[in-house]
Amino acid sequence: AQSVTQLGSHVSVSEGALVLLRCNYSSSVPPYLFWYVQYPNQGLQLLLKYTSAATLVKGINGFEAEFKKSETSFHLTKPSAHMSDAAEYFCAVRTGANSKLTFGKGITLSVRP
Amino acid sequence: GAVVSQHPSWVICKSGTSVKIECRSLDFQATTMFWYRQFPKQSLMLMATSNEGSKATYEQGVEKDKFLINHASLTLSTLTVTSAHPEDSSFYICSAEGGASRGQETQYFGPGTRLLVL
Repeated sequence: AQSVTQLGSHVSVSEGALVLLRCNYSSSVPPYLFWYVQYPNQGLQLLLKYTSAATLVKGINGFEAEFKKSETSFHLTKPSAHMSDAAEYFCAVRTGANSKLTFGKGITLSVRP
Repeated sequence: GAVVSQHPSWVICKSGTSVKIECRSLDFQATTMFWYRQFPKQSLMLMATSNEGSKATYEQGVEKDKFLINHASLTLSTLTVTSAHPEDSSFYICSAEGGASRGQETQYFGPGTRLLVL
């Protein structure tokens, strides 16, 4: 079985500050890991993904994430938050092309001026 | 690349009517598409997996006779909510697997369809 844990429901940062959104996963086999962003009343946009290549993955909009097997983590970071980063962020895990995509419960990022 | 569209983006209908939602992969072929439902302030709930040319696989608790899914081509899947009732009001989102060119492990999502049943 696979699962994703996103602790907390809301993170608030100041514009220009570091963004850190945590994600821990559970998987019995090497996982595929994803971060998606959802803006209000929109679908999900793929930010980045880990598919067993480089452990540090760079995505769109300046985001990156590091796969740490020993910690079963895939935390999302961005050095400097922008107002446009305010959205809902979902971490997700999949164990293969034929397996389900399992989502965390999501976390809301707010950016203060 | 990897663009998925949905139509309509929102729909209001009367109780008892049926509503069809289309999901298209615009720049790639998708053997497998997925339908999700999202309640306010919650994560996505997988409703069914749709494979081109075969019957959809529904998740436990999802009524297949109420939520009809058809995947007639490699770029189009449809979800029909039959005899809709107010409790069917929700945000429905589809996704498509990226395939060989964009990663079969990756799902690309449509913009969603907001359904309101009066």
